[in-house]
Amino acid sequence: DAGVIQSPRHEVTEMGQEVTLRCKPISGHNSLFWYRQTMMRGLELLIYFNNNVPIDDSGMPEDRFSAKMPNASFSTLKIQPSEPRDSAVYFCASMRGGDSSYNEQFFGPGTRLTVL
Amino acid sequence: KNEVEQSPQNLTAQEGEFITINCSYSVGISALHWLQQHPGGGIVSLFMLSSGKKKHGRLIATINIQEKHSSLHITASHPRDSAVYICAVPSYSNYQLIWGAGTKLIIKP
Repeated sequence: DAGVIQSPRHEVTEMGQEVTLRCKPISGHNSLFWYRQTMMRGLELLIYFNNNVPIDDSGMPEDRFSAKMPNASFSTLKIQPSEPRDSAVYFCASMRGGDSSYNEQFFGPGTRLTVL
Repeated sequence: KNEVEQSPQNLTAQEGEFITINCSYSVGISALHWLQQHPGGGIVSLFMLSSGKKKHGRLIATINIQEKHSSLHITASHPRDSAVYICAVPSYSNYQLIWGAGTKLIIKP
């Protein structure tokens, strides 16, 4: 299995531009997570999908952030417009089932976003 | 008080030393996760355990549910073990993990 795939691995953009991050979960996994990691705040859950449905988006910082999961093999996280404070590493993770008491999360390599 | 606390925050040791990282939690759980984040940034799940002990190569994880405590041990440590080790427990929602702050381990040759 190829594992969780994220693209791009690095993104440098200017303030105000739209940024789209992409994730392909492991086949057969029906839970998908988007995380943001910064030095100051550590690893934060942004949004959680189960069976392609957004279950918990309480971690999405503001309306500039949106996420979609049109099918079981693809998800996007979009930031529009981007701001320098959005600079972080964004991770996608997938999990079989919906209970972390019985299943491990598998992380993608992350996208390092820099907003100038 | 954080729900998941790790100690130490930072640990530097010489190659070959036996390493212990501790994790205490305040919530009731049925499983605990140990993960590793390498300097390159990737996050890898090491163990998920709900009782007793698990071993994978030179890594050993133990948990005491009654005492709400888990330990991660590394035997014969090697510079390639240098990483941040994170423990995490399921939240009340079950899908979400409550993360510890991580232990940054440096193994010197």
